[in-house]
Amino acid sequence: MLTQPHSVAESPGKTVTISCTGSSGNIASNYVQWYQQRPGSGPTTVIYEDIRRASGVPDRFSGSIDSSSNSASLTISGLRTEDEADYYCQSYESSIWVFGGGTRLTVL
Amino acid sequence: QVQLQESGPGLVYPSQPLSLTCSVSGGSISSGGYHWNWIRQPAGKGLEWIGRIYGIGTINFNPSLRSRVTISMDPSKNQFSLTLTSVTAADTAVYYCARARVASETYWGHGILVTVSS
Repeated sequence: MLTQPHSVAESPGKTVTISCTGSSGNIASNYVQWYQQRPGSGPTTVIYEDIRRASGVPDRFSGSIDSSSNSASLTISGLRTEDEADYYCQSYESSIWVFGGGTRLTVL
Repeated sequence: QVQLQESGPGLVYPSQPLSLTCSVSGGSISSGGYHWNWIRQPAGKGLEWIGRIYGIGTINFNPSLRSRVTISMDPSKNQFSLTLTSVTAADTAVYYCARARVASETYWGHGILVTVSS
């Protein structure tokens, strides 16, 4: 099970961090992916293998892992209105995928 | 770059099977190391992983759907498929197919809306 905040909001140009907290050590021992889903569209990969940016993703997006707290984070700096979307973390538990509940990012 | 496209009926009657196909272009479904996934999303809700197929036919399922799900591959058509049996209104969702691999980003299809209704 992965837990994300339901929503976050920040102003253009600012930095926002979205957390993803796992249970039973799953994040500490498995890779985490982050997906962006804009309104009316399907998901696209933003971060894979904890920290790697997908092709075409600007370096304003970064991923990190904190093994001590079994959590992952997605940080977006220099926020733009186009970053407004739902963001989902995804990892693994015994060979199956698990998703976080998603975080709605609003760029005010 | 690989592209995935879901196809199938947009309306399924309750208790009937839901069958979808994912057509893959820009890469062979038989290429080693790739996992071919199905994910769904009810309207206004989050993503739910259904299952995947890889290798020579290894399949993993979401335990909550295991008893109703079949996933198969057709290398001759470069497609993989999903069948979900005994559907109810709770199975109404956008269904996505996706390709994943270790050390590589996941590619998603655009999704197909399937409504379960009489």
